[in-house]
Amino acid sequence: KNQVEQSPQSLIILEGKNCTLQCNYTVSPFSNLRWYKQDTGRGPVSLTIMTFSENTKSNGRYTATLDADTKQSSLHITASQLSDSASYICVVSDRGSTLGRLYFGRGTQLTVWP
Amino acid sequence: EADIYQTPRYLVIGTGKKITLECSQTMGHDKMYWYQQDPGMELHLIHYSYGVNSTEKGDLSSESTVSRIRTEHFPLTLESARPSHTSQYLCASSEQEGEQYFGPGTRLTVT
Repeated sequence: KNQVEQSPQSLIILEGKNCTLQCNYTVSPFSNLRWYKQDTGRGPVSLTIMTFSENTKSNGRYTATLDADTKQSSLHITASQLSDSASYICVVSDRGSTLGRLYFGRGTQLTVWP
Repeated sequence: EADIYQTPRYLVIGTGKKITLECSQTMGHDKMYWYQQDPGMELHLIHYSYGVNSTEKGDLSSESTVSRIRTEHFPLTLESARPSHTSQYLCASSEQEGEQYFGPGTRLTVT
C-alpha cells in the first residue's frame, strides 16, 4: 500500500531557531516528492519539488533533501519566523498512472513562538 | 499566488439541504481535482477531471457529484447534506503533468 508518513506530528520552536521535519514514503514507482505549506484555513502552497535524481532543493530558508534509496525526505527550516507557523505536508507522486496520483502525508503542525 | 478560487469560504447549513461548492481557475488548466480534508488528517481525492465533459471518482468514496462543462469551472454538489459531510473541501488544478495549485478551500459544517 502506498503511504506517506511524517514526523513529528507537531512541533513547537522559538523564533529564530532551526528545525527539521521528516517524511518517509513507500510510494512506488516514484515520480517526485513535494513539500507544501498549508496555513490554517488555506489551501496548500508548494515549497519544493524533487525528482528521483535530485537530493537537495532550496527555496529561501527552506531546504528539502531526498534519499530515494531509503525513501526518506526532510525539510529543514532555517532561522524560523512567526509566519512559518503552519502545517507542512509531504506529497509523493507515483509514475504508474496518467493521473500522476498524489499521496499525501498528514502533515507536521509547526508552531513558532516569539 | 495561483489563480484558483473557491466560494463560499465558509458554509453552515442544515441537514438535508442541497449545496454546490464553486471552484474556478483562470490558468487554463485541463486537470482539476476535489479533495476532502479533516483536521489533522491527509487530503483525500474525491473527484477529478481531465478536461471538459470528463469526470472521475477519486480514492475516497463520496456522495457528492461534480460537473465540468467549462474548462475553468468545476463545481461540486451535495444533493442532501448530512453531518458526516462536515469537512474542508479543497479544489486544485494542474497542467497535464504539472504541479497542482490549490484554492483556499471551503469549510463546510452541516448541523
